[in-house]
Amino acid sequence: DQQVKQNSPSLSVQEGRISILNCDYTNSMFDYFLWYKKYPAEGPTFLISISSIKDKNEDGRFTVFLNKSAKHLSLHIVPSQPGDSAVYFCAAKSGLDFGNEKLTFGTGTRLTIIP
Amino acid sequence: NAGVTQTPKFRILKIGQSMTLQCTQDMNHNYMYWYRQDPGMGLKLIYYSVGAGITDKGEVPNGYNVSRSTTEDFPLRLELAAPSQTSVYFCASRTLGAQTQYFGPGTRLLVL
Repeated sequence: DQQVKQNSPSLSVQEGRISILNCDYTNSMFDYFLWYKKYPAEGPTFLISISSIKDKNEDGRFTVFLNKSAKHLSLHIVPSQPGDSAVYFCAAKSGLDFGNEKLTFGTGTRLTIIP
Repeated sequence: NAGVTQTPKFRILKIGQSMTLQCTQDMNHNYMYWYRQDPGMGLKLIYYSVGAGITDKGEVPNGYNVSRSTTEDFPLRLELAAPSQTSVYFCASRTLGAQTQYFGPGTRLLVL
């Protein structure tokens, strides 16, 4: 049962344009969400996060939007740069896991920025 | 500042062999995790630890064992390697009170 879903396995975007990566979840007890970025042959690196008490969090070119009623979050990258080409994972934490917090990961979206 | 280190980077095992994947972190983090990533899939949690001497199973623990004798080290043991354990293994750690996990570079394991 995939509780965190990234339905687009891949996405191609022109350099300078906006990249929008989507993530849906089914568990209403998730209260914290993170985006990780992964280059080939490297471990995932943390990008940006959002608590369920917010609907938007911004960090430079990266913005994450959370729509709790739709159980949907999205990552916006603007403007997109060639170095943004990577696999992006959405992850979520349940509010019920107090003290033993674990993350549930989506399957990832491969973003390719076209120069 | 090394962060999370993993050894080896790559290993080929024969069916039935055993091996230990090493993971060390130098950030004094309480929590440590082992994940596996299969092609086209997300990261699945194998085992985790909330501190030295305390470990617990994750989503896919069968075929693996862990121990946590120190804060820094969290080795993952495969006792009888099977082709289904062919995967990339990531170790991660985080500090108490924070949700961000820091990942190592991964170990690619091929079981033939």
